[in-house]
Amino acid sequence: SYELTQPPSVSVSPGQTARITCSGDALPKKYTYWYQQKSGQAPVLVIYEDSKRPSGIPERFSGSSSGTMATLTISGAQVEDEADYYCFSADSSGDHGVFGGGTKLTVL
Amino acid sequence: EVQLVESGGGLVKPGGSLRLSCAASGFTFSSYSMNWVRQAPGKGLEWVSSISSSSRYIYYADSVEGRFTISRDNAKNSMYLRMNSLRAEDTAVYYCARDLGVRDVVVMGPDYWGQGTLVTVSS
Repeated sequence: SYELTQPPSVSVSPGQTARITCSGDALPKKYTYWYQQKSGQAPVLVIYEDSKRPSGIPERFSGSSSGTMATLTISGAQVEDEADYYCFSADSSGDHGVFGGGTKLTVL
Repeated sequence: EVQLVESGGGLVKPGGSLRLSCAASGFTFSSYSMNWVRQAPGKGLEWVSSISSSSRYIYYADSVEGRFTISRDNAKNSMYLRMNSLRAEDTAVYYCARDLGVRDVVVMGPDYWGQGTLVTVSS
Protein backbone atom coordinates (compact mmCIF):
# COMPACT_ATOMS: atom_id res chain seq x y z
CA SER A 1 0.00 0.00 0.00
CA TYR A 2 1.02 3.60 -0.58
CA GLU A 3 3.03 5.41 2.09
CA LEU A 4 4.09 8.95 2.86
CA THR A 5 7.31 9.28 4.86
CA GLN A 6 7.99 12.07 7.37
CA PRO A 7 10.82 12.51 9.90
CA PRO A 8 9.57 11.63 13.41
CA SER A 9 10.87 14.84 14.93
CA VAL A 10 12.29 18.26 14.12
CA SER A 11 13.68 20.67 16.67
CA VAL A 12 14.50 24.38 16.25
CA SER A 13 15.08 27.41 18.43
CA PRO A 14 12.52 30.25 18.41
CA GLY A 15 13.00 32.46 15.37
CA GLN A 16 14.71 29.77 13.33
CA THR A 17 13.31 28.16 10.21
CA ALA A 18 11.76 24.72 10.58
CA ARG A 19 11.44 22.44 7.57
CA ILE A 20 9.37 19.27 7.61
CA THR A 21 9.55 16.94 4.64
CA CYS A 22 7.11 14.40 3.24
CA SER A 23 8.10 11.92 0.55
CA GLY A 24 5.92 9.73 -1.62
CA ASP A 25 6.05 8.25 -5.08
CA ALA A 26 2.76 9.82 -6.23
CA LEU A 27 3.53 13.35 -5.07
CA PRO A 28 4.60 14.52 -8.55
CA LYS A 29 0.98 13.94 -9.62
CA LYS A 30 -1.00 14.54 -6.43
CA TYR A 31 -1.40 17.57 -4.18
CA THR A 32 -0.06 17.58 -0.65
CA TYR A 33 -1.97 18.95 2.34
CA TRP A 34 -0.42 19.81 5.71
CA TYR A 35 -2.12 19.70 9.11
CA GLN A 36 -1.10 21.00 12.51
CA GLN A 37 -2.36 19.13 15.54
CA LYS A 38 -1.76 20.42 19.05
CA SER A 39 -2.14 18.14 22.03
CA GLY A 40 -5.77 17.17 22.66
CA GLN A 41 -7.09 19.17 19.72
CA ALA A 42 -8.45 18.43 16.27
CA PRO A 43 -6.12 18.91 13.29
CA VAL A 44 -6.00 22.28 11.55
CA LEU A 45 -5.25 22.72 7.84
CA VAL A 46 -2.20 24.96 7.39
CA ILE A 47 -1.31 24.35 3.71
CA TYR A 48 -3.43 22.97 0.87
CA GLU A 49 -2.67 22.08 -2.74
CA ASP A 50 1.07 22.01 -2.04
CA SER A 51 1.58 25.70 -1.35
CA LYS A 52 -1.67 27.57 -0.65
CA ARG A 53 -2.33 29.00 2.78
CA PRO A 54 -5.90 29.08 4.20
CA SER A 55 -7.16 32.34 5.57
CA GLY A 56 -6.15 32.87 9.19
CA ILE A 57 -2.93 30.87 8.91
CA PRO A 58 0.16 33.03 9.63
CA GLU A 59 2.38 33.95 6.69
CA ARG A 60 5.34 32.17 8.30
CA PHE A 61 3.78 28.90 7.14
CA SER A 62 4.58 27.98 3.54
CA GLY A 63 4.65 24.87 1.43
CA SER A 64 6.40 23.60 -1.65
CA SER A 65 6.64 20.41 -3.64
CA SER A 66 9.26 19.12 -6.05
CA GLY A 67 9.37 15.65 -7.49
CA THR A 68 8.57 13.05 -4.85
CA MET A 69 9.06 15.40 -1.90
CA ALA A 70 6.86 18.06 -0.35
CA THR A 71 8.10 20.46 2.29
CA LEU A 72 6.37 22.49 4.98
CA THR A 73 8.45 25.50 6.01
CA ILE A 74 7.86 27.58 9.12
CA SER A 75 9.94 30.74 8.83
CA GLY A 76 10.71 32.23 12.22
CA ALA A 77 9.11 29.43 14.23
CA GLN A 78 7.32 30.46 17.41
CA VAL A 79 6.85 28.53 20.65
CA GLU A 80 3.14 28.29 19.85
CA ASP A 81 4.01 26.36 16.67
CA GLU A 82 5.01 23.34 18.75
CA ALA A 83 2.72 20.57 17.54
CA ASP A 84 2.50 17.42 15.49
CA TYR A 85 2.44 18.03 11.75
CA TYR A 86 0.98 15.60 9.23
CA CYS A 87 1.16 15.56 5.45
CA PHE A 88 -1.73 14.05 3.49
CA SER A 89 -2.21 13.08 -0.12
CA ALA A 90 -3.95 10.55 -2.33
CA ASP A 91 -2.43 7.50 -3.95
CA SER A 92 -1.83 7.46 -7.70
CA SER A 93 -5.30 6.07 -8.45
CA GLY A 94 -6.95 8.76 -6.32
CA ASP A 95 -9.01 6.07 -4.58
CA HIS A 96 -7.23 6.15 -1.22
CA GLY A 97 -6.08 8.94 1.05
CA VAL A 98 -2.87 8.57 3.01
CA PHE A 99 -1.39 10.46 5.95
CA GLY A 100 2.29 10.61 6.72
CA GLY A 101 3.35 9.26 10.08
CA GLY A 102 3.58 12.72 11.58
CA THR A 103 6.44 14.95 12.70
CA LYS A 104 6.72 16.33 16.22
CA LEU A 105 8.01 19.91 16.04
CA THR A 106 9.77 21.19 19.13
CA VAL A 107 10.51 24.91 19.41
CA LEU A 108 12.75 25.74 22.36
CA GLU B 1 -18.96 29.52 10.65
CA VAL B 2 -18.38 25.92 9.59
CA GLN B 3 -19.30 23.49 12.36
CA LEU B 4 -19.02 19.72 12.38
CA VAL B 5 -20.26 17.77 15.39
CA GLU B 6 -19.68 14.04 15.69
CA SER B 7 -21.75 11.74 17.89
CA GLY B 8 -22.42 8.06 18.45
CA GLY B 9 -19.10 6.93 19.89
CA GLY B 10 -18.83 4.68 22.92
CA LEU B 11 -17.74 1.31 24.24
CA VAL B 12 -18.54 -1.74 22.13
CA LYS B 13 -17.47 -5.38 22.31
CA PRO B 14 -15.33 -6.98 19.59
CA GLY B 15 -17.54 -8.09 16.73
CA GLY B 16 -20.15 -5.49 17.59
CA SER B 17 -21.53 -2.58 15.58
CA LEU B 18 -21.83 1.17 15.97
CA ARG B 19 -23.11 4.06 13.88
CA LEU B 20 -21.40 7.42 14.01
CA SER B 21 -23.10 10.64 12.93
CA CYS B 22 -21.73 13.99 11.84
CA ALA B 23 -24.00 17.03 11.94
CA ALA B 24 -22.88 19.87 9.68
CA SER B 25 -23.77 23.56 9.72
CA GLY B 26 -22.46 26.88 8.46
CA PHE B 27 -22.01 25.84 4.83
CA THR B 28 -23.97 24.26 1.96
CA PHE B 29 -23.52 20.65 3.01
CA SER B 30 -24.99 19.19 -0.18
CA SER B 31 -22.22 20.80 -2.26
CA TYR B 32 -19.22 19.31 -0.48
CA SER B 33 -17.58 15.93 -0.32
CA MET B 34 -16.89 14.66 3.18
CA ASN B 35 -14.39 12.44 4.98
CA TRP B 36 -13.96 10.29 8.08
CA VAL B 37 -10.50 10.21 9.64
CA ARG B 38 -9.49 8.36 12.80
CA GLN B 39 -6.70 8.52 15.34
CA ALA B 40 -5.86 5.64 17.67
CA PRO B 41 -4.71 6.66 21.17
CA GLY B 42 -1.19 8.07 20.99
CA LYS B 43 -0.95 7.35 17.26
CA GLY B 44 -1.09 9.28 14.01
CA LEU B 45 -3.98 10.17 11.74
CA GLU B 46 -5.51 7.53 9.48
CA TRP B 47 -7.85 8.27 6.56
CA VAL B 48 -10.93 6.02 6.77
CA SER B 49 -13.43 6.94 4.07
CA SER B 50 -14.65 9.67 1.69
CA ILE B 51 -18.02 10.35 0.06
CA SER B 52 -18.85 12.77 -2.74
CA SER B 53 -21.61 15.35 -2.50
CA SER B 54 -24.25 13.20 -4.21
CA SER B 55 -22.94 9.92 -2.73
CA ARG B 56 -22.01 8.81 -6.22
CA TYR B 57 -18.35 8.30 -5.36
CA ILE B 58 -17.35 6.44 -2.20
CA TYR B 59 -13.89 5.33 -1.11
CA TYR B 60 -12.61 3.25 1.81
CA ALA B 61 -9.28 2.46 3.40
CA ASP B 62 -8.28 -1.19 2.94
CA SER B 63 -8.39 -1.63 6.73
CA VAL B 64 -12.16 -0.97 6.87
CA GLU B 65 -13.35 -2.05 3.40
CA GLY B 66 -16.24 -4.49 3.72
CA ARG B 67 -16.87 -3.66 7.39
CA PHE B 68 -17.62 0.08 7.38
CA THR B 69 -20.24 1.91 5.32
CA ILE B 70 -20.21 5.67 4.77
CA SER B 71 -23.42 7.49 3.87
CA ARG B 72 -24.99 10.93 3.97
CA ASP B 73 -28.39 12.58 4.08
CA ASN B 74 -28.18 16.00 2.42
CA ALA B 75 -31.70 16.89 3.56
CA LYS B 76 -30.54 16.49 7.16
CA ASN B 77 -27.06 17.99 6.66
CA SER B 78 -25.61 14.82 8.10
CA MET B 79 -23.05 12.15 7.34
CA TYR B 80 -22.81 8.70 8.89
CA LEU B 81 -20.36 5.86 9.37
CA ARG B 82 -21.81 2.42 10.01
CA MET B 83 -19.15 0.22 11.58
CA ASN B 84 -19.65 -3.56 11.72
CA SER B 85 -17.43 -6.43 12.89
CA LEU B 86 -15.49 -4.06 15.09
CA ARG B 87 -12.00 -5.01 16.23
CA ALA B 88 -9.74 -3.79 19.02
CA GLU B 89 -7.62 -2.00 16.41
CA ASP B 90 -10.61 0.14 15.44
CA THR B 91 -10.35 1.88 18.81
CA ALA B 92 -9.78 5.54 17.99
CA VAL B 93 -11.14 9.06 17.96
CA TYR B 94 -13.17 9.39 14.78
CA TYR B 95 -13.18 12.79 13.09
CA CYS B 96 -15.64 14.09 10.55
CA ALA B 97 -13.95 16.44 8.08
CA ARG B 98 -15.22 18.49 5.17
CA ASP B 99 -13.42 17.93 1.87
CA LEU B 100 -12.19 20.71 -0.40
CA GLY B 101 -13.94 18.96 -3.26
CA VAL B 102 -17.28 20.26 -4.47
CA ARG B 103 -19.88 19.25 -7.09
CA ASP B 104 -19.28 15.49 -6.76
CA VAL B 105 -15.50 15.73 -6.86
CA VAL B 106 -13.56 14.10 -4.01
CA VAL B 107 -10.28 15.95 -3.63
CA MET B 108 -9.25 14.01 -0.54
CA GLY B 109 -8.11 17.19 1.13
CA PRO B 110 -9.99 17.80 4.38
CA ASP B 111 -10.23 21.45 5.40
CA TYR B 112 -12.59 21.79 8.39
CA TRP B 113 -12.65 19.15 11.15
CA GLY B 114 -14.98 18.31 14.01
CA GLN B 115 -13.75 17.62 17.54
CA GLY B 116 -14.13 13.87 17.18
CA THR B 117 -15.95 11.06 18.96
CA LEU B 118 -14.18 8.22 20.78
CA VAL B 119 -14.88 4.62 19.85
CA THR B 120 -13.52 1.97 22.20
CA VAL B 121 -13.65 -1.68 21.19
CA SER B 122 -13.03 -3.88 24.19
CA SER B 123 -14.52 -6.86 25.97
